[in-house]
Amino acid sequence: DGGITQSPKYLFRKEGQNVTLSCEQNLNHDAMYWYRQDPGQGLRLIYYSQIVNDFQKGDIAEGYSVSREKKESFPLTVTSAQKNPTAFYLCASSRRGRGTGELFFGEGSRLTVL
Amino acid sequence: AQTVTQSQPEMSVQEAETVTLSCTYDTSESDYYLFWYKQPPSRQMILVIRQEAYKQQNATENRFSVNFQKAAKSFSLKISDSQLGDAAMYFCAYLDSSYKLIFGSGTRLLVRP
Repeated sequence: DGGITQSPKYLFRKEGQNVTLSCEQNLNHDAMYWYRQDPGQGLRLIYYSQIVNDFQKGDIAEGYSVSREKKESFPLTVTSAQKNPTAFYLCASSRRGRGTGELFFGEGSRLTVL
Repeated sequence: AQTVTQSQPEMSVQEAETVTLSCTYDTSESDYYLFWYKQPPSRQMILVIRQEAYKQQNATENRFSVNFQKAAKSFSLKISDSQLGDAAMYFCAYLDSSYKLIFGSGTRLLVRP
C-alpha cells in the first residue's frame, strides 16, 4: 500500500545531542513537508521541499535541518541549537503544484528531550 | 502573510445533532485551497473536506459540509448527525500559492452520547 512512513515513533534524546527523524513515502509525490505540533496547538511548518535537492524554510526552521537527496526521503535533523525540541513531529507529502492540494500525513514521531 | 484563525478552542455536541466549527483566514490571493483536517487521539491527520476558492459551490462529503464565504474569508464546517467517532481535534488549513499548508490552532470536538 502507498503511504508515508515515519520512524521512530518515539525518540528520547539528551540535551546537546542531534537527532534525525526519518520520513519515507512511496506515493511518488514531489513535495514533502515537516510540521511540528505542540500540546493543544496547531501544526507549524518547519521545512518543505517541492523537488529533489531543493527545500525552503517554513515558519520555525531555526534549530532544524533537512536534506532531499531522493524523491522518496525527507529526513529532519533536530540539532542542539533547537531550544525546545520536545514535540510531536509530522511529515507529509503532496503532488507538486496545486493538484488537489491535499497533503498526506505520516503517523508522526514524538521526540522527548531528557 | 496568510493566517488562519479558529476562535473555538472546544465545542460540544449531542450525538445525532448538528455542530458547526468556525474558521476565518486572511489572504490577498484569489486562488487557493481550503481544508478541514481531523486529528483523532491516534494523532493521524485525516482529510475531511476540501474547497477550491474558485468554486462557488460549497463542498460536501456525506455528513460533512462547508459554508464558504469568500468575500468574508470564512470557511466553517458543519457536521450533521454527529457520531461518537467524530470526536477529535479539527484543524482548518489554507494552501497558499507557494504550496505551504497553514493551519489554524484547532477546535476540540466532544460528542456526548
